[in-house]
Amino acid sequence: AQSVTQLDSHVSVSEGTPVLLRCNYSSSYSPSLFWYVQHPNKGLQLLLKYTSAATLVKGINGFEAEFKKSETSFHLTKPSAHMSDAAEYFCVVSVSGYALNFGKGTSLLVTP
Amino acid sequence: DSGVTQTPKHLITATGQRVTLRCSPRSGDLSVYWYQQSLDQGLQFLIQYYNGEERAKGNILERFSAQQFPDLHSELNLSSLELGDSALYFCASSTVPGTGGTDTQYFGPGTRLTVL
Repeated sequence: AQSVTQLDSHVSVSEGTPVLLRCNYSSSYSPSLFWYVQHPNKGLQLLLKYTSAATLVKGINGFEAEFKKSETSFHLTKPSAHMSDAAEYFCVVSVSGYALNFGKGTSLLVTP
Repeated sequence: DSGVTQTPKHLITATGQRVTLRCSPRSGDLSVYWYQQSLDQGLQFLIQYYNGEERAKGNILERFSAQQFPDLHSELNLSSLELGDSALYFCASSTVPGTGGTDTQYFGPGTRLTVL
């Protein structure tokens, strides 16, 4: 079954420093992977998606993720954190082309 | 703004009651998905409709049901409500029913249900 594991439930960074949110996936075939962000009391917004076209995926707001098959990972990174990046981030895998299977989420805290 | 609308934003009701949550997909999207977000279970897929027909079911309780109407809006009906049904319910839509898993789902702002 397709699933994802987010390795950190909370990550704290200082403004201006790099962000790394870790995600490992489990899939019996080439997966479709996504990162979504949820700001407090808001809906879910798509940051980026991987669909096997390129292993390095660029998303919105300066985020990017690299698909590493050998490590079964899809970590989310950003070179420099901004206060507005504070939110809950979800790593997601598409299940059989319809349902999305969400990780438990990583709460990103950005301190001044 | 994703283009997916959900009403109401908040709903407070009592145990044993029945409620209906409404979702309007993005213009042109034929697929609608429902998800439940709770503190203990996280985000879980409930059900998917495509052009009026049920396409896939996830962890949806028998007390819950959904439908998609000819104008493509969808309703999620929750009956015999229990305290544990308190959660944030999201609707998402996509253009096609997930061909190859590459189709992007766009999420609405959610309906927060509180069962007292």
